[in-house]
Amino acid sequence: NFMLTQPHSVSESPGKTVTISCTRSSGSIDSNYVQWYQQRPGSSPTTVIYEDKQRPSGVPDRFSGSIDSSSNSASLTISGLKTEDEADYYCQSYDSRNQGVFGGGTKLTVL
Amino acid sequence: EVQLLESGGGLVQPGGSLRLSCAASGFTFSSYAMSWVRQAPGKGLEWVSAFSGSGGGTYYADSVKGRFTVSRDDSKNTLYLQMNSLRAEDTAVYYCAKETSSGIYYPEFDYWGQGTLVSVSS
Repeated sequence: NFMLTQPHSVSESPGKTVTISCTRSSGSIDSNYVQWYQQRPGSSPTTVIYEDKQRPSGVPDRFSGSIDSSSNSASLTISGLKTEDEADYYCQSYDSRNQGVFGGGTKLTVL
Repeated sequence: EVQLLESGGGLVQPGGSLRLSCAASGFTFSSYAMSWVRQAPGKGLEWVSAFSGSGGGTYYADSVKGRFTVSRDDSKNTLYLQMNSLRAEDTAVYYCAKETSSGIYYPEFDYWGQGTLVSVSS
């Protein structure tokens, strides 16, 4: 099976743009869709990106997802950072047996 | 409005059993695959199991295969997780999650429940 590797933490100032990476250890990143979930402290996860770049209704367009085959990675970009964006972010994909695979999570600090 | 409400968590001794439930509303439950995802205290998310929609199959993480059984009752709009031979490392908040689209099962989630805590300890 493969792993999804994320940076442990990132930080940026309000109003700026931050990008969180998610690198697949083996197999192609574009083999299966990548999702991104936001989890604020003490809350359940919520979906911010699905199928690589699709935003669920209600998610602001400050959130965007992309895939880079050359680096075999997915990225979540958040522009116009707000303090409310401070949370843990998880990427997720799945293997050939349709077993879900999560990245280890990235703690975003907005300071 | 989609709602997922888990229940059934609690404290259980190692080797014991527990059954979790996830009551769903706000969508055509029978058409969608549903998954269980867990989160150990202070740790990340781990996919556990899934039951595809429309009478499809079941899927398990290697860490729980043979010990956990996922089932669903479409007449009650409810997903279940029967957990047997529980271990300390199964201690976690267990979330149910709805798949983004109906049809063929792919683990892509759009709605999550609030979770139920399972603690395995003597």
